[in-house]
Amino acid sequence: SQQGEEDPQALSIQEGENATMNCSYKTSINNLQWYRQNSGRGLVHLILIRSNEREKHSGRLRVTLDTSKKSSSLLITASRAADTASYFCRATNNAGNMLTFGGGTRLMVKP
Amino acid sequence: KAGVTQTPRYLIKTRGQQVTLSCSPISGHRSVSWYQQTPGQGLQFLFEYFSETQRNKGNFPGRFSGRQFSNSRSEMNVSTLELGDSALYLCASSASRGRDTGELFFGEGSRLTVL
Repeated sequence: SQQGEEDPQALSIQEGENATMNCSYKTSINNLQWYRQNSGRGLVHLILIRSNEREKHSGRLRVTLDTSKKSSSLLITASRAADTASYFCRATNNAGNMLTFGGGTRLMVKP
Repeated sequence: KAGVTQTPRYLIKTRGQQVTLSCSPISGHRSVSWYQQTPGQGLQFLFEYFSETQRNKGNFPGRFSGRQFSNSRSEMNVSTLELGDSALYLCASSASRGRDTGELFFGEGSRLTVL
């Protein structure tokens, strides 16, 4: 089964606005990772948050983790057209198996 | 440091044929995993190899197989191709030593079209 499910499936915003996408998972995790994929290309790792962390920042990215709700959110502030991509979360559990991704959120940032 | 290299980038096959895809991980990475991405099914995990051993396997039929060599390069093979096997096949490597929990580095993928 999937270890991460993103929500919403698609998001369209204007340049300069913030974009928030969510990820839910099903079991206890070791860490949760967010990736970006530009159309038809490989995924690029954005940020990793460990199960004992609640919030993490990297540039315009802010990730939160709520282990009680088994969910994480990715916030992209001051979005740019270049942020247009699909975003995936990946949760890894303590057994290290079932290396799966969710279905992704397709973000479109209009100039 | 060179990234993950996948070959070929594009290929076209016909139903019933077989295909072999190759993945060269980042130097020093011993974990290699494979994923199938299609518009309908999203990103699906195929299998993961660590030090030449298959460590995890997704829910795919036996037509999908893989292996890893002593230099960590990996290949995956799909036999008796079906139209539904048309997809982008992504390979990722990881520096994780134990049970994989770390960052994945992806190649650009091999886009397979089955006619």
